[in-house]
Amino acid sequence: DVKVTQSSRYLVKRTGEKVFLECVQDMDHENMFWYRQDPGLGLRLIYFSYDVKMKEKGDIPEGYSVSREKKERFSLILESASTNQTSMYLCASSSRPAEAFFGQGTRLTVV
Amino acid sequence: AQTVTQSQPEMSVQEAETVTLSCTYDTSESNYYLFWYKQPPSRQMILVIRQEAYKQQNATENRFSVNFQKAAKSFSLKISDSQLGDTAMYFCAFIPSYNTDKLIFGTGTRLQVFP
Repeated sequence: DVKVTQSSRYLVKRTGEKVFLECVQDMDHENMFWYRQDPGLGLRLIYFSYDVKMKEKGDIPEGYSVSREKKERFSLILESASTNQTSMYLCASSSRPAEAFFGQGTRLTVV
Repeated sequence: AQTVTQSQPEMSVQEAETVTLSCTYDTSESNYYLFWYKQPPSRQMILVIRQEAYKQQNATENRFSVNFQKAAKSFSLKISDSQLGDTAMYFCAFIPSYNTDKLIFGTGTRLQVFP
């Protein structure tokens, strides 16, 4: 079974903290994605990566950065967390152009 | 802009009945991929069905089928013989061209199946 694992299911951080969300996939997929899910807004793409050290901005990259040093791992970084970044974060991976496999999501609360 | 629109925020259906979820999209490309994903209360997103734009035949997976109208840029999902386990958020998504792997989602439709 394909597995996409996100490091935390729930996370609470303080305003101004640097936050790392980690995602690991075990299927040697080229593509990895970070989405943010908010009620009524669906899944909005933050960043995606199509290869190691390669990345492309999605629709809402402001306030976020990413890192992909190894093929299996894709990290989302909130440089200075703010309350408007409280959300559900979903990681996914895919092998073009097949289906995307998703992690369980991380519900992040910034207080 | 390459966008996906789901105009029905919520829908409900009685068990064993049929329901259709709507989706429209916008791309200037002629080759692309379309998907429906399901997100149950467990939050685990899973693929329901997939359609390649060059294929005229509508995709079918057991009780799930699509009505793909390329000229109208419409991709609706029909669920036949609805079951309680079909209760979930349903997201329409697409990869807007063969030149990218970027996967774009709509805002979702919350489907409730009643006994």
